Amino acid sequence: GQNIDQPTEMTATEGAIVQINCTYQTSGFNGLFWYQQHAGEAPTFLSYNVLDGLEEKGRFSSFLSRSKGYSYLLLKELQMKDSASYLCAALDSNYQLIWGAGTKLIIKP
Amino acid sequence: GAVVSQHPSWVICKSGTSVKIECRSLDFQATTMFWYRQFPKQSLMLMATSNEGSKATYEQGVEKDKFLINHASLTLSTLTVTSAHPEDSSFYICSATLRQEPEPQHFGDGTRLSIL
Repeated sequence: GQNIDQPTEMTATEGAIVQINCTYQTSGFNGLFWYQQHAGEAPTFLSYNVLDGLEEKGRFSSFLSRSKGYSYLLLKELQMKDSASYLCAALDSNYQLIWGAGTKLIIKP
Repeated sequence: GAVVSQHPSWVICKSGTSVKIECRSLDFQATTMFWYRQFPKQSLMLMATSNEGSKATYEQGVEKDKFLINHASLTLSTLTVTSAHPEDSSFYICSATLRQEPEPQHFGDGTRLSIL
């Protein structure tokens, strides 16, 4: 079956760095997405990885290892507004998105 | 670019009412639109995938006669919750993609549906 695993909840301190991990098992693979979702709002796109390695976008970076079925989202210089759920989603061979349950990130002052 | 508009944002109505939610891609032609439902503190649940001019593909366990999806044009898809009941109260979110290639889904702002 197809499956995405990510931690349910993480806590970090303002100004610090946090890494949110995601492992996936899909029928074929066409890339991995990370989305941010604030409570009561729709998800917003953060990043897309299809090749191995690190993609950096400002304070956010995303890493992919296809051989390990593993990705992480790295958030630097954490701000209170980064408190949200972070959703990992893998695109399978039929271009269907397989969603993780999301990681709720709590930022403490 | 890639803006998706969803309307209405909030709906409160009586049990037995049918509710229509619209999803529009404002600045691109969406080949595929998706409808999700999300209960409080739970993950997104894909309800159906909708391609312009063809019937929607529903996920297992989603009643197609209960949740009617129409995708009449490349910029508009509608979800109608027929004879809504309190258990249908949820956050409904649509998304759209430009083409069937690796492409992020662009989400509407969601519709919060409350059935009394």
